[in-house]
Amino acid sequence: KAGVTQTPRYLIKTRGQQVTLSCSPISGHRSVSWYQQTPGQGLQFLFEYFSETQRNKGNFPGRFSGRQFSNSRSEMNVSTLELGDSALYLCASSKGSGSGNTIYFGEGSWLTVV
Amino acid sequence: GENVEQHPSTLSVQEGDSAVIKCTYSDSASNYFPWYKQELGKRPQLIIDIRSNVGEKKDQRIAVTLNKTAKHFSLHITETQPEDSAVYFCAANGGGTASKLTFGTGTRLQVTL
Repeated sequence: KAGVTQTPRYLIKTRGQQVTLSCSPISGHRSVSWYQQTPGQGLQFLFEYFSETQRNKGNFPGRFSGRQFSNSRSEMNVSTLELGDSALYLCASSKGSGSGNTIYFGEGSWLTVV
Repeated sequence: GENVEQHPSTLSVQEGDSAVIKCTYSDSASNYFPWYKQELGKRPQLIIDIRSNVGEKKDQRIAVTLNKTAKHFSLHITETQPEDSAVYFCAANGGGTASKLTFGTGTRLQVTL
């Protein structure tokens, strides 16, 4: 069974640009969540989608957005990139959205903003 | 919101010894507490989790204990091996979904020969 797949794995962007990251959840999983990991701030929750609806949102500015498609695949977008957005962006999936579920992380997308 | 504190930030043990990592959480509504292991350059991997209706859970050399009254939970690794060397993160869900996790700051475990 394939795990959570994220693309691209590595990318370099310039300040002010925008970026879109993609995530394909484990087959049968309907919940997708996104996390940002940096050395300074650690692992921080961005948002969660379930059945194409945003269920939860973390404390990130509106430049960070996401969406989920009918096949549960998800994308996140960061507009007007800043140097501080350089991070590992992790997607995670679970079967459902309730607290009884377990989430599994993908390998992540390494974003460098120069 | 939920706040999770994790100690120690670094831990060095000799092969074969035990390692204990401790976390505290603030939101009494939290009911799900996973632990993740992250090797350098890799994704966090779930190693064990516990839910609030259970006080202890064990999986081979790994165990987790939960004290809801004190809002503490701990990871215990026995008979440590060099391949246990990694960064370990605890997390709590703040009483919400399993997906909205608040993570601790991580513990870098080094198992020396």
